[in-house]
This record gives sequence, C-alpha cells and structure tokens, in this order.
Amino acid sequence: DSGVTQTPKHLITATGQRVTLRCSPRSGDLSVYWYQQSLDQGLQFLIQYYNGEERAKGNILERFSAQQFPDLHSELNLSSLELGDSALYFCASSVVGSLNSPLHFGNGTRLTVT
Amino acid sequence: AQSVTQLDSHVSVSEGTPVLLRCNYSSSYSPSLFWYVQHPNKGLQLLLKYTSAATLVKGINGFEAEFKKSETSFHLTKPSAHMSDAAEYFCVVSEAAGTGKLIFGQGTTLQVKP
Repeated sequence: DSGVTQTPKHLITATGQRVTLRCSPRSGDLSVYWYQQSLDQGLQFLIQYYNGEERAKGNILERFSAQQFPDLHSELNLSSLELGDSALYFCASSVVGSLNSPLHFGNGTRLTVT
Repeated sequence: AQSVTQLDSHVSVSEGTPVLLRCNYSSSYSPSLFWYVQHPNKGLQLLLKYTSAATLVKGINGFEAEFKKSETSFHLTKPSAHMSDAAEYFCVVSEAAGTGKLIFGQGTTLQVKP
C-alpha cells in the first residue's frame, strides 16, 4: 500500500460530461502529480502541484484542470469529455518536488467515456 | 529533451532463470533514472533509482540496475525470476532538475513461465 488514495476507482460517463477525480497524498507529502495512462500514449505526465501551487505542466489538455487544496489533497477535473479521454488516471505524491524524492503512486481511477 | 526507450515490449523467462529488461536513455544533462513496476490493476511501485551515486543500484525484490553512461543504458536485472515478478516494468528518466516530472518508457511486459 503506497499510502496514496484515489477515488473513485472506476468511473463511467458519457461524452460531453464533466468528472472530478480525487487524490489524497501520503501523509507528509507536499507534492502531487497526475499522470494519464492509455494504450496508445503510454504514461503521460499531466501536471504537478507542490504545497498548493502549480509546479510543472505536461501534456494536459485545456479541457482538463487540477488544483491542490490547503489540506494537500488534489482534484483533477476533466470536462467536455471525449472517447479518447478514456484512460487510467494516476495520482502520485512525494515529500518534495525534486527528482531525488521518489514518487508513490495510487492505484488509479479508470475512466471510461461512452 | 530527455527520453527513454525500452528495447523490448515483451520478455518471457522461465521461473528461476535470469531476467534482463533493457533500457536506453537520452538526456542533455546527468539524469536521474528509475525503474517502476506495475502489477495488474495496481499503481506503480518504485523498484530502484539512480541519482549519480553508485552506478550499480540495488532495488527491492532482488532487482538491480547498472547505469552505463558510455552506453546510455540502464538495464534492469534479476538473477532468478519468480512467478510474482510477472508485471509491467517501466524505465523512467527525470525530465529536469528541480521538478519531479518523469518521462516514462513504453513499458516491458515480463512473463514468467513455470
């Protein structure tokens, strides 16, 4: 058990809808990362937050947004969903936001857009 | 730009025989390199990391990897495979210093036959 909690585990929704994925980092971790895993793109970094502030941005679509709250949990919002957004979305956390601090991954949220 | 290439998408070994998962990287600076493992329906777990200390890195579950700068390689090995090692393995390079942004390889599926 990594200590990173993601909810929900599964999400099925229709095209055009909006969903929110939630992540609670490990106790003491200040940095949260979101990754998308799909069959064709593999694992892609979306965005990183550190102590409430955006730290780095990757291949995140404009339809997607994220935030980290004062209690350090994070939410990833996906809107105007398309079939291609179907993927496994991982949250990871680390103590600090540097590369020497290993990432601990949650079990992911599997999003299916129909 | 940093990148990582996993040379085999699928590796099959017999239980008790050695494991070799190959990874080449490209980086414009001295990189940090990682191997992560993903078991079915689970999140990613850190196996080991290289951060410019010893070139031979020992990880969990008997895995180790050797950083070879001249060959730009970071191959993962294990002397004797167990059935429980069957999983997807990802070679990962850090995107840049100062952030935890990681670039994942496409993954290698390890099959262990009895």
